[in-house]
Formats: sequence, C-alpha cells, structure tokens
Amino acid sequence: DVVMTQSPLSLPVTLGQPAAVSCRSSQSLVYRDGNTYLTWFQQRPGQSPRRLIYEVSNRDSGVPDRFSGSGSGTDFTLKISRVEAEDVGVYYCLQATLWPPTFGGGTKVEI
Amino acid sequence: EVQLVESGGGLVQPGGSLRLSCAASGFTFTSYSMTWVRQAPGKGLEWLANIKEDGSEKYYVDSVKGRFTVSRDNAKNSLYLQMNSLRVEDTAIYYCARERQLARWGQGTLVTVSS
Repeated sequence: DVVMTQSPLSLPVTLGQPAAVSCRSSQSLVYRDGNTYLTWFQQRPGQSPRRLIYEVSNRDSGVPDRFSGSGSGTDFTLKISRVEAEDVGVYYCLQATLWPPTFGGGTKVEI
Repeated sequence: EVQLVESGGGLVQPGGSLRLSCAASGFTFTSYSMTWVRQAPGKGLEWLANIKEDGSEKYYVDSVKGRFTVSRDNAKNSLYLQMNSLRVEDTAIYYCARERQLARWGQGTLVTVSS
C-alpha cells in the first residue's frame, strides 16, 4: 500500500501568520490519465471531515482562498496564508491514485 | 443542499452483525460513486469501500473484505454497509461520502463492538 507521511504531527500556529503541512507519498501519485489524485481534508473538533483541496491544488467551493495546495509526484503541501481561529483542527491528506486509497496520519493545527 | 445522513450504528457483540444506511439528498445520486470511511476513537481515517454509480462494481480494502458488503438502492437514494463477523477493532465512527475522492461527508454513525 502507498504510505502517506504527514509532517509535522502537531503544528502550533499564530493567528494571522502562515502555516504549512507536508504530505509525502511512498510512490508517485501521477495516474495514467495524467491527473494526480491527492486530496486535503480539514476536521474541526467534533465535526466530520470536510474536503478542502482536490487533485493537488483545486480548492472546493466555499473554501477560503487562504488555503492552497501544491506539489507533484510524491511531495505535497497544504498552505494557510493567514491562520484564523476557525482553522484549528486536524488536517489529512488522501491519495486516491493507487489502490487502496490511503490517508496520511493527520496534522493537528492548534493556536 | 447536499446531505448525507448515516444511521444504524450501535452496540454489538464481537461476531455480530450490523447494517448501516446512508440517505442521500440534494444531488443526483445515480451520478456518483459512493464510499464508506471509518475513524476509530481518537484515531485517523480509513477508506473502506466504494461502489460505482450503478452498483456494478464494488471495491474493498483488505481489512474488511469478505466481512463487509457495500450496496446501494438508487430508487431510494440510499447507500448501505452490511457488516458481519464484527471485531472489537471495528469500533469506529462510520461515514458515508460522495465519490472516491470524498467530496462530501455525512455526520457519521458510531459502531461499538464490545462484549
């Protein structure tokens, strides 16, 4: 199975400052159709996960533009340009390129 | 508004069975594959199973293959997960989600396997 390694495990942040979460895969996530099925989710305390970014860099509808995704191959990053209080939670990456789909272990973002 | 509402969770003994349901609304159910994901208490996420739009193909991860069965009733806009031979380690919140890339999620239903 593809191993998704997120870092850091815990990310203390300062309101108004940028933050970044890394996700590395054990194999290239480029699919035969040329797309890269790397997705980012946010899970606020006590809530279901919510998709933020799909196919590396496409922001979902309603997601603030302070969230951005980048990367290629095996190395991916979720960035928050200016952290707000509502961004506290756990962030997960998911690869759906190779079977079975696998999640990263999560990064806890806390103020 | 897209809504996914899971139900059917509860307490079950090891070796027992449970059937989860997911009622979908606010989108054309027949246009999307559907996925089950679970989250053990205080742990991360595990992708479990996916079923194609018309139910013709189903995919399972090894940890549930042979024990869990995903199905759907497109006439009722509903997704199901039949869980047999349950183990203590199956204790988790079970979520249904739209598409293989999990675009939208339900609120989850808690399954507790314990004697």
